[in-house]
Amino acid sequence: KQEVTQIPAALSVPEGENLVLNCSFTDSAIYNLQWFRQDPGKGLTSLLLIQSSQREQTSGRLNASLDKSSGRSTLYIAASQPGDSATYLCALWNQAGTALIFGKGTTLSVSS
Amino acid sequence: EAGVAQSPRYKIIEKRQSVAFWCNPISGHATLYWYQQILGQGPKLLIQFQNNGVVDDSQLPKDRFSAERLKGVDSTLKIQPAKLEDSAVYLCASSTHRGKNYGYTFGSGTRLTVV
Repeated sequence: KQEVTQIPAALSVPEGENLVLNCSFTDSAIYNLQWFRQDPGKGLTSLLLIQSSQREQTSGRLNASLDKSSGRSTLYIAASQPGDSATYLCALWNQAGTALIFGKGTTLSVSS
Repeated sequence: EAGVAQSPRYKIIEKRQSVAFWCNPISGHATLYWYQQILGQGPKLLIQFQNNGVVDDSQLPKDRFSAERLKGVDSTLKIQPAKLEDSAVYLCASSTHRGKNYGYTFGSGTRLTVV
């Protein structure tokens, strides 16, 4: 059974700092990996999707990497801003490619 | 493009009562998902529909939870009777195709509190 773990559970940083969020999974036979952002009281917004054949994806200040052999993914946020404060969720598509298996998330707080 | 609509936004009920949530997916999206997100946890899939047929309901507590998607559009999720541990945010999502990431979009969710 696939399990997804995210470390740390919470993170507080000053504005402008570069930071890394970690995601690990138990079964390397994954389909795709996706990073989401969740703001309080709102739904999930997709940030980056890494297909199983890829090693990284970039969007603006965000860079996500995938290492299937070690069962790890990282989300790198450059030059953090207060608007980046949210919960970041890592999710794997199940082997059938039909639904997502989520980690518990990392709650990020960026202070100005 | 309108997003995934859910109602109500909030609901407070007593244990053993029943409750229903409604979801209207993005127009044209064939696949609809219901997820349960307990405080401090990631969302967990409850049920997946492809048009009006159930694809996966393996994690749906069928003794108390039920869901339907009439005419392959709107969907309702019902809990009867509710338990304290059902307190959570119920998220609906839809996509154009089963699997992959064809326009996978989440609604804002319904926050249920069972007292």
